[in-house]
Formats: sequence, C-alpha cells, structure tokens
Amino acid sequence: GQQVMQIPQYQHVQEGEDFTTYCNSSTTLSNIQWYKQRPGGHPVFLIQLVKSGEVKKQKRLTFQFGEAKKNSSLHITATQTTDVGTYFCAGNFNKFYFGSGTKLNVKP
Amino acid sequence: GAVVSQHPSRVICKSGTSVKIECRSLDFQATTMFWYRQFPKKSLMLMATSNEGSKATYEQGVEKDKFLINHASLTLSTLTVTSAHPEDSSFYICSVTGGNTEAFFGQGTRLTVV
Repeated sequence: GQQVMQIPQYQHVQEGEDFTTYCNSSTTLSNIQWYKQRPGGHPVFLIQLVKSGEVKKQKRLTFQFGEAKKNSSLHITATQTTDVGTYFCAGNFNKFYFGSGTKLNVKP
Repeated sequence: GAVVSQHPSRVICKSGTSVKIECRSLDFQATTMFWYRQFPKKSLMLMATSNEGSKATYEQGVEKDKFLINHASLTLSTLTVTSAHPEDSSFYICSVTGGNTEAFFGQGTRLTVV
C-alpha cells in the first residue's frame, strides 16, 4: 500500500517546550488528516488539510500542508501534560494510510 | 460526526477458534468502512476496505481467507478472524468515513489469542 513516513518516532519534552512532528509522502496527497491517540484509546480526529500550502491553527496547535501536498507538520507551542499521546498523520490516497506516529511525552 | 460502535471491546479466545468483531455506524449510512490493525506501540495498518453489498478489498499482504469481512447492511460490517493464532493478537479498529471527510473510529477490539 501507500506509505506515509512520520518522524520522529518519540519525543520527550519538558512542559512548556515546543514540539513538532513531520509527515512525508512520496506521492501527492489529495488531503491529509491528523489524529491524536491517548494511551488505551482510539484515534481522535484533529484536523484536515486540503489546500496546497494551507496553515491551520487550533489554540496551541499549528498544522501545515506543504506546497507540493506531499508533506505536513504539526507544531505544538508550549506543551502541556494534557498533550501527551501519539500523534498520527493520515494521507488520503482515496483511502487513508496512517503514518507511523510520534509518541509525545511531556514531563511536568 | 458519525458515531461508530465496535463490539466486543476485548476478547480472549483459544488458538484455533474464530472470533467475530462487529462495527456499527449508528447514525450514518456507510457504504464503505475500513478495518485497521494496530500492533503495540505501532501505527494503524489498513487491512481492508469493507464495501456494502460487495466483496471487501484487501490490502497487499492481508489474507482474505484469514480475515473475513462481511458488510451486509449500511450500518454493519463484521470482521471474522478465522482459526486464530497467537500472532493474530492485536488491536483491531474500524472506521467510517464520508468520502473526503474525517474518519470516525470505533472504540477498537483488543484480541488476545491464547
């Protein structure tokens, strides 16, 4: 199937520090979505990006879609302990394929 | 958004038996549902696309005779793990999506084969 690469695999930060996770696809995506999964839970939708170069913000979270629609990033400003979880991107190739995820741990 | 109910949430079965997992779309008529598998600390791997009234479409490397999918109505898709073995132990999760919109996930089923 299609592949969506995501880095880093893990990120440990001190509360208040910033965090960024990156997704890359070898082929152009029609759109990309981001999800958060808490330990023991199921993925929860965060946002969808559709347009080339699109930037969307949700409070401390900033999502970007690359100009070529092959890469995307999620940036969290001033992390909090409630941000702990695994963040997945999902690329749409007429069906969604998930990136490998970035597990975020925030130390209080 | 759509409400997706998955049952059971946990199941333990003996090696060699079969297990059926149900995925129900409670408020959305889903012509298509998706089944994923998630290994511990790993990502979600798309197993198959469940199509209402027709055969499921399986991803490369997924055994269709091992993982039987039935999508008999617009609100129900089932995944049956046949002749389960310990290596089939995993977290299975279904999703419903309306074309280009977000995917709504069931709560997932943790299968343990002993």
